[in-house]
Amino acid sequence: DAEITQSPRHKITETGRQVTLACHQTWNHNNMFWYRQDLGHGLRLIHYSYGVQDTNKGEVSDGYSVSRSNTEDLPLTLESAASSQTSVYFCASSESRAGGTDTQYFGPGTRLTVL
Amino acid sequence: AQSVTQLGSHVSVSEGALVLLRCNYSSSVPPYLFWYVQYPNQGLQLLLKYTTGATLVKGINGFEAEFKKSETSFHLTKPSAHMSDAAEYFCAVSEAGSYQLTFGKGTKLSVIP
Repeated sequence: DAEITQSPRHKITETGRQVTLACHQTWNHNNMFWYRQDLGHGLRLIHYSYGVQDTNKGEVSDGYSVSRSNTEDLPLTLESAASSQTSVYFCASSESRAGGTDTQYFGPGTRLTVL
Repeated sequence: AQSVTQLGSHVSVSEGALVLLRCNYSSSVPPYLFWYVQYPNQGLQLLLKYTTGATLVKGINGFEAEFKKSETSFHLTKPSAHMSDAAEYFCAVSEAGSYQLTFGKGTKLSVIP
């Protein structure tokens, strides 16, 4: 069965370190998204990609970067981790359908703690 | 810009009672509307969605939602709550032609035995 996986599931790091969160999907979807989930804020979009070599900034992109070298993977990098980036991170993917939005399928999440 | 408001960050119902979770949206063009559910320590999964056509949408686990354009609402209901419905529920909106979703802040549903 097609799926979307994230690794690691839990990560503890120190302020100032570079951290990369992996996201891999086997749906063969063109669209991939990264969100962060914080209490009282719901899900907020960090970055998204509509295909290989395409990346775009979302609502809360400062301090984060992504790159898309193939269809399956969209790694999220925190260049210099800050305590404000402690959060749960979700990756999602969707098909590109004429007319726009299709269902987004979510990974299980990565809980990141920055000390 | 589109936005979503979910009334009530926490809703409690008794087992067997009606579940009503409220969602209002703002959008400058006809929206696509979604409800997702998140169980503890899991990702989000789709409950139901409205794109076009029939305004009453049925989803999984006995949930349904009605798109009311005049009220800019998409409330989620279930006639009889079950203990397994305890979770957090998110309403989301997207504009036709866009691949992005804007989420509400979520409503945590507790079911009391």
